Amino acid sequence: AQTVTQSQPEMSVQEAETVTLSCTYDTSESDYYLFWYKQPPSRQMILVIRQEAYKQQNATENRFSVNFQKAAKSFSLKISDSQLGDAAMYFCAYGLYNFNKFYFGSGTKLNVKP
Amino acid sequence: DTAVSQTPKYLVTQMGNDKSIKCEQNLGHDTMYWYKQDSKKFLKIMFSYNNKELIINETVPNRFSPKSPDKAHLNLHINSLELGDSAVYFCASSRGPTTNEKLFFGSGTQLSVL
Repeated sequence: AQTVTQSQPEMSVQEAETVTLSCTYDTSESDYYLFWYKQPPSRQMILVIRQEAYKQQNATENRFSVNFQKAAKSFSLKISDSQLGDAAMYFCAYGLYNFNKFYFGSGTKLNVKP
Repeated sequence: DTAVSQTPKYLVTQMGNDKSIKCEQNLGHDTMYWYKQDSKKFLKIMFSYNNKELIINETVPNRFSPKSPDKAHLNLHINSLELGDSAVYFCASSRGPTTNEKLFFGSGTQLSVL
């Protein structure tokens, strides 16, 4: 069974600092996708970054980057130069290639201190 | 224009009632979903439709019945509401039914069953 684990229920970071959110997943498949979604207080889920498992290069999206360790089944999100607007719940998600189902972790609440 | 809109945003009702949540997307996407987010923030897929056809039906009580009158709409009807149905329900859409496609979420419907 595919599961996604986020071991940090809540984290805090000072504005302009860097923070890393952890995610591990369990799968026996080799082709899949990994995502980080952000859920601000408005509740709307927004895609932050996506990684294809077949790509060795870590995905980056402006201040957001991932550290994808396929063998360790680890997919952490690094947020650089944290901004107040980054405060939100962050969900790690896994999607099996060509299979229309996403599995989400339980989320990490990120607080950004001014 | 809101890409994925769902109504109502809040729904408070008594046990045993029947209620519906409506969802519409104006993105021209083929695939739509219903997700349930419980009080612990776990986000779990309930249903997925592709071109009005049901393609995923997770282990959901048959009191929940999705209906897709056309590609742009996916409504969720719930019969005989129970306390455990209290959650936030998210509608989402994607271009296609594969997991490499980005999910676009609505802002959620918070259902409270009293």
